[in-house]
Amino acid sequence: EPEVTQTPSHQVTQMGQEVILRCVPISNHLYFYWYRQILGQKVEFLVSFYNNEISEKSEIFDDQFSVERPDGSNFTLKIRSTKLEDSAMYFCASKYGTSNPLAKNIQYFGAGTRLSVL
Amino acid sequence: QQQVKQSPQSLIVQKGGISIINCAYENTAFDYFPWYQQFPGKGPALLIAIRPDVSEKKEGRFTISFNKSAKQFSLHIMDSQPGDSATYFCAASRQGGNKLTFGTGTQLKVEL
Repeated sequence: EPEVTQTPSHQVTQMGQEVILRCVPISNHLYFYWYRQILGQKVEFLVSFYNNEISEKSEIFDDQFSVERPDGSNFTLKIRSTKLEDSAMYFCASKYGTSNPLAKNIQYFGAGTRLSVL
Repeated sequence: QQQVKQSPQSLIVQKGGISIINCAYENTAFDYFPWYQQFPGKGPALLIAIRPDVSEKKEGRFTISFNKSAKQFSLHIMDSQPGDSATYFCAASRQGGNKLTFGTGTQLKVEL
């Protein structure tokens, strides 16, 4: 079964450093997302991406964050200057995008990257 | 108004029993309500979803009950099994919308 793949599974970085989290969405999917989950808390939406541009972002997704789809398969989240409070599990998700009402809302999640900012 | 409230925070059920998790929302623009199951170290996986034009949806041992007037929906797990032990998140979005708004999660433990 196709799946969303995220690398690395765990990233440790120093405060102020830049990190890039990588995702390979399911191959025929058109919509891409990043969510984060701070330990013990709920999953929070960060950003959605469609047709090579951001379609929606949350208040969490400030100027320190950026997303990119550099080629036909990868989708990346960059944090320019990490803060302690950026420590969380980051999930990538993707969605096909179809007029089928039963299928069009299904977002498939990767296993996540645990980001630890020291 | 964007919040989805979920209860209980944790739940212990005996094997074979019924697990019930409740969610409530405020935003009437929400019209798609999925439940996600998350095992430790894994991402959330879609379990079952409902749209507000039906009051109940059943898939195997999992049933969603939906009360549009009360803006509440719940997940029932019949004949709960130890393998169902996981964290369950309710969520909501607009049809075709991008953003899933998640509840706070329920840690379910099914004991033998």
